[in-house]
Amino acid sequence: AQSVAQPEDQVNVAEGNPLTVKCTYSVSGNPYLFWYVQYPNRGLQFLLKYITGDNLVKGSYGFEAEFNKSQTSFHLKKPSALVSDSALYFCAVRDMRWGKLQFGAGTQVVVTP
Amino acid sequence: SAVISQKPSRDICQRGTSLTIQCQVDSQVTMMFWYRQQPGQSLTLIATANQGSEATYESGFVIDKFPISRPNLTFSTLTVSNMSPEDSSIYLCSVEPRGEEETQYFGPGTRLLVL
Repeated sequence: AQSVAQPEDQVNVAEGNPLTVKCTYSVSGNPYLFWYVQYPNRGLQFLLKYITGDNLVKGSYGFEAEFNKSQTSFHLKKPSALVSDSALYFCAVRDMRWGKLQFGAGTQVVVTP
Repeated sequence: SAVISQKPSRDICQRGTSLTIQCQVDSQVTMMFWYRQQPGQSLTLIATANQGSEATYESGFVIDKFPISRPNLTFSTLTVSNMSPEDSSIYLCSVEPRGEEETQYFGPGTRLLVL
């Protein structure tokens, strides 16, 4: 079985400071890992993914994430947060042997001016 | 990626009625998915819809409650039948674009409130 954990319900950060949103996963095979963002009254927008290759992946809006196999983590990062980054962030994993996309509970990011 | 639209974007319905949600994608895709996001919750997969075959439902979801159609490679509908207030949720469709089948892209969602 596969699972995803986002240990923080909410992350608060001041504008201009680094932003980190944590995600750990569990899969039986090789993981495909994803980050999505949901702005108020909007659908899910794809941010970035790790399939294979370089452990550091870069995505939309200046976000990046680092795949750490030994720690089974895929934390989302942004060097300098903007107020407009305030949204709900979801980590997701799929084990291609099973194929289904499993979502974490989500982390609300609040960036204050 | 893919451009996905959903209709309606939101609706308020009376209990006992049914609502059909449409999902349209701008390119042909093999797999389409329907998810439910209950208030304050994460996404839960309802079913997978392949063109030309019956939808595959996840545990806890049944065809009588959530009938799905997939008449062609760019379109699908989800019906929420005999609605109750517990069906108040955001319903999202997603697709796996050809050539990028490992990634799901989502529509804007349909916000449903059942009174």
